[in-house]
Amino acid sequence: NAGVTQTPKFQVLKTGQSMTLQCAQDMNHEYMSWYRQDPGMGLRLIHYSVGAGITDQGEVPNGYNVSRSTTEDFPLRLLSAAPSQTSVYFCATAPSGLETQYFGPGTRLLVL
Amino acid sequence: AQTVTQSQPEMSVQEAETVTLSCTYDTSENNYYLFWYKQPPSRQMILVIRQEAYKQQNATENRFSVNFQKAAKSFSLKISDSQLGDTAMYFCAFMTDNYGQNFVFGPGTRLSVLP
Repeated sequence: NAGVTQTPKFQVLKTGQSMTLQCAQDMNHEYMSWYRQDPGMGLRLIHYSVGAGITDQGEVPNGYNVSRSTTEDFPLRLLSAAPSQTSVYFCATAPSGLETQYFGPGTRLLVL
Repeated sequence: AQTVTQSQPEMSVQEAETVTLSCTYDTSENNYYLFWYKQPPSRQMILVIRQEAYKQQNATENRFSVNFQKAAKSFSLKISDSQLGDTAMYFCAFMTDNYGQNFVFGPGTRLSVLP
């Protein structure tokens, strides 16, 4: 039982490049979400999903796309990376939107 | 909108002593949940403790306990018998009782446990 996994652990991008951050869970949780963590600002919600086929925006969605075709996977796409997207990204899951969230190990992204 | 404030950016405590981390929040909701998460240098976010707003009894998990003051909108974390492994960032978080999520984190308190 791996819990919540995120790949890659670390990535360097050039401005304008695109990439996908992967998040997978094997706990059959309905709820999945993406956060970014910046110094002094805690974690901020980017996008979330309450189930397969359903996604919605969080506090800071601009520059990011998501989709949820299966219960297990919730990828986060950066279509055209910008230096302001340099951050640590966390994926989190929960059995439902009303329960404690469990976090993946994070992906550190550097955009030059 | 809900907000979470942690007024202590950094704290330190001697090993085996007790330390209290402060958290205040602002909401107009009556039903909600409060959490403390710990983030050690490994960056993993680890749930420390959870409190439901409708419960009057303060939550306790081993050496960790909270002082939940609903009227004052205060949710402090007390760590007893501090251990070196408690060194981490601690985040207070708030979640409303609305399906579809509204999970808000405070900016964090960096705790150092000194030998």
